[in-house]
Amino acid sequence: EAGVAQSPRYKIIEKRQSVAFWCNPISGHATLYWYQQILGQGPKLLIQFQNNGVVDDSQLPKDRFSAERLKGVDSTLKIQPAKLEDSAVYLCASSPRAYGYTFGSGTRLTVV
Amino acid sequence: DQQVKQNSPSLSVQEGRISILNCDYTNSMFDYFLWYKKYPAEGPTFLISISSIKDKNEDGRFTVFLNKSAKHLSLHIVPSQPGDSAVYFCAASAYGNQFYFGTGTSLTVIP
Repeated sequence: EAGVAQSPRYKIIEKRQSVAFWCNPISGHATLYWYQQILGQGPKLLIQFQNNGVVDDSQLPKDRFSAERLKGVDSTLKIQPAKLEDSAVYLCASSPRAYGYTFGSGTRLTVV
Repeated sequence: DQQVKQNSPSLSVQEGRISILNCDYTNSMFDYFLWYKKYPAEGPTFLISISSIKDKNEDGRFTVFLNKSAKHLSLHIVPSQPGDSAVYFCAASAYGNQFYFGTGTSLTVIP
């Protein structure tokens, strides 16, 4: 089966600019997650969708981050405006159930 | 608050020997645990899991041990191979809620 697709793979932006990431989960996977992984740390959950509804966004910095899941399939994560500390790898994952999900390759964001 | 901890940031092991990666957690409600492997420039890939009703799960060269009283789990790789060189994350979940990840251990298997 095809994996979780993410784009772009890399992005460099200046602080205060906007950026958007895209994720296409595995077909049929109802649950979709966005994680932020800062260098040297484990992935941190930003937001969890069940179909097109938000299950958990308690760790999403809502003043600058937003996410949506269109028709319960693809998802976009946006940062506006970006800060230097947003430099990280943004990972998308999907799961057909609560356990054992599949990660995409991630988008490496560098804010300069 | 780091609920899942991997206290060894790196580990080097000779090819053919056993690699032991350790993970500690603080939340006694965690009932499901995963190990992920991550190569550079790739997303984490699922390796092996264990639920709290078991104390051991084995899959080929990989075995995960769970000690609930000590809130400790470990991943054993036997024998270690150079292709196992990667960063290994443990993760824990309570009742199917979000997973909490450790900070990872970078394993280097020396040929």
